[in-house]
Amino acid sequence: DAGVIQSPRHEVTEMGQEVTLRCKPISGHDYLFWYRQTMMRGLELLIYFNNNVPIDDSGMPEDRFSAKMPNASFSTLKIQPSEPRDSAVYFCASSLSRELFFGEGSRLTVL
Amino acid sequence: AQRVTQPEKLLSVFKGAPVELKCNYSYSGSPELFWYVQYSRQRLQLLLRHISRESIKGFTADLNKGETSFHLKKPFAQEEDSAMYYCALQRAGSYQLTFGKGTKLSVIP
Repeated sequence: DAGVIQSPRHEVTEMGQEVTLRCKPISGHDYLFWYRQTMMRGLELLIYFNNNVPIDDSGMPEDRFSAKMPNASFSTLKIQPSEPRDSAVYFCASSLSRELFFGEGSRLTVL
Repeated sequence: AQRVTQPEKLLSVFKGAPVELKCNYSYSGSPELFWYVQYSRQRLQLLLRHISRESIKGFTADLNKGETSFHLKKPFAQEEDSAMYYCALQRAGSYQLTFGKGTKLSVIP
């Protein structure tokens, strides 16, 4: 298994543009998490899903952020419109037990 | 709400010296505690969890409920231990992890 796959690895965009980050979890895992990492705030949980259903989205900063999981093998995190303060590394992780398996992250820069 | 505190952003030690990475938590229930590690150019990965009580790569961590701490220790640091270390807490009955801000360990040859 290639592990959790995220795309794109790097994204540079201008303020106001829509950004879509993608994640393919490990096959068979029933939990999927989206985290954001910044120097100031560290790793913050944005949202997580269980069996494709959002369980807790209280970490989503504001309405500009949305996440979907249309099936067990795919999830997206969308930011519309993007702002410079959204610049961060976004990690996706999946889990079957208590251990989380992380992707390599998507580094987003909003100019 | 739960919180995880790692007081040191950076810790530098000489090769062969003992290492202790501090982690304190606040949570009213019985948590599960973890240490995750991120080596250069690698993914964040699980290092160890308190319930397994095992030593991984020479590292151990003991959950001290009285002091609400879960410090990571290794008696003799190696250069390959240089990495970013994150302490994390999982609430009882939940798969959600709350992370500390991390400590960067640098082992000097």
